[in-house]
This record gives sequence, C-alpha cells and structure tokens, in this order.
Amino acid sequence: SQTIHQWPATLVQPVGSPLSLECTVEGTSNPNLYWYRQAAGRGLQLLFYSVGIGQISSEVPQNLSASRPQDRQFILSSKKLLLSDSGFYLCASTGRGLNTEAFFGQGTRLTVV
Amino acid sequence: AQTVTQSQPEMSVQEAETVTLSCTYDTSESDYYLFWYKQPPSRQMILVIRQEAYKQQNATENRFSVNFQKAAKSFSLKISDSQLGDAAMYFCAYTSYNFGNEKLTFGTGTRLTIIP
Repeated sequence: SQTIHQWPATLVQPVGSPLSLECTVEGTSNPNLYWYRQAAGRGLQLLFYSVGIGQISSEVPQNLSASRPQDRQFILSSKKLLLSDSGFYLCASTGRGLNTEAFFGQGTRLTVV
Repeated sequence: AQTVTQSQPEMSVQEAETVTLSCTYDTSESDYYLFWYKQPPSRQMILVIRQEAYKQQNATENRFSVNFQKAAKSFSLKISDSQLGDAAMYFCAYTSYNFGNEKLTFGTGTRLTIIP
C-alpha cells in the first residue's frame, strides 16, 4: 500500500506571506495526486490534481498554485496568502486503472493571521 | 463533469441501531468506482467500503453495506449495529478508472452522531 508524507502538520502564516506545502508518496509509481481543502466541519474541495509530472489541473480559480516536479512529489504554493486561504489541506494519491483506492496524508492545518 | 451529492449534512442514530446515509452522483461514464470514506475527529481519512460499477452485487464490509442503484445513480451506506466509534464525518466519493479521467470527487459529507 501507499504511504503519503505531508508536512508541516500545522502552520500559522501572516497575510501576504508565501506558502509551500509538500507531499511525497511512497509505495507506488506514476500515481494521480490531489490537493484538497477542507473548511471546518465542511466537505473536501478539490483544488488541484495531477496525472503526471508537470501536468496540473486546477479546479477552482484562487490564490494558490500547484506543481509536480517529480513523479511522487506534489507541492501546493502561494505567493501571497489571504485570510480566506485558512483551512485544512489534504494531499491524496490514487493508483491507475483498477487500483483506485485513495491514500491520504495527515493533513496541514493552515491559519492565516 | 462528475458531481457527488450528499443531501444529509447531519444524521444521528441510537447506539446499536441501523442508519442509512444517502449519496447520489452524476456521470456520463459507465466504468467507475464509488467509495465511502470516514473522517473521525483526528481528520485521518479511512476507507469504509468500495463498489465497482460493473458489479451488480452490493459491497459489504462487516457492519457496513451499500445499496448501489446504477440506473438511479444512487449509492447509500447502511451501518448496522451502530457503535460509538462510528461517529465521524462520512464522505461519498467517485472516480472513473478510464485513463485521463480519474479525478477523485467527494460529496460534501454527512456528520454522523451516535447517541448512547
């Protein structure tokens, strides 16, 4: 099975500062990778997903961007954080074809102050 | 685009009773997977049960079972003999397994409370 490493677990950043959240995957190759955001007590909003290196699909226009510099590395970034960027961010990975169970990181709780 | 709808933001059930969580989805594809995930207060996502669309038989995992109605695009989760540890957010999710269209889409979730 896959293991998803996501860090940091908690982050407090001032408005206007940059952001970089990193996610790495072990135990598989060529996964589909996802970034979700979850507001308190709410559902999972898909932000970005990637089917391969350098291939990023954006689901929601926003202040964030994503990159996939390596097969098992997925990075969520922002040049200038907004208060509305606060939330719980989850990285997820799925295999290809019939192996589609999703594996999740532990999440990052981001507070923009 | 695929969408997943959970119309029950909150549900509650007495301990040891049975509860059913609803999920509907919209897709033009014929080959896909459906999932139910559980998210306890720790926020770790836990796979509860999975259903392949090509299988007519409903999936079952111990106390958890689904009612999969492909024509109606409905995928409900039944929890039997509810336990205190079942209290969590439950998310219904969809993914196609056609290459290039494997986006994993979640519903908005149902918060399940177990009443002792």
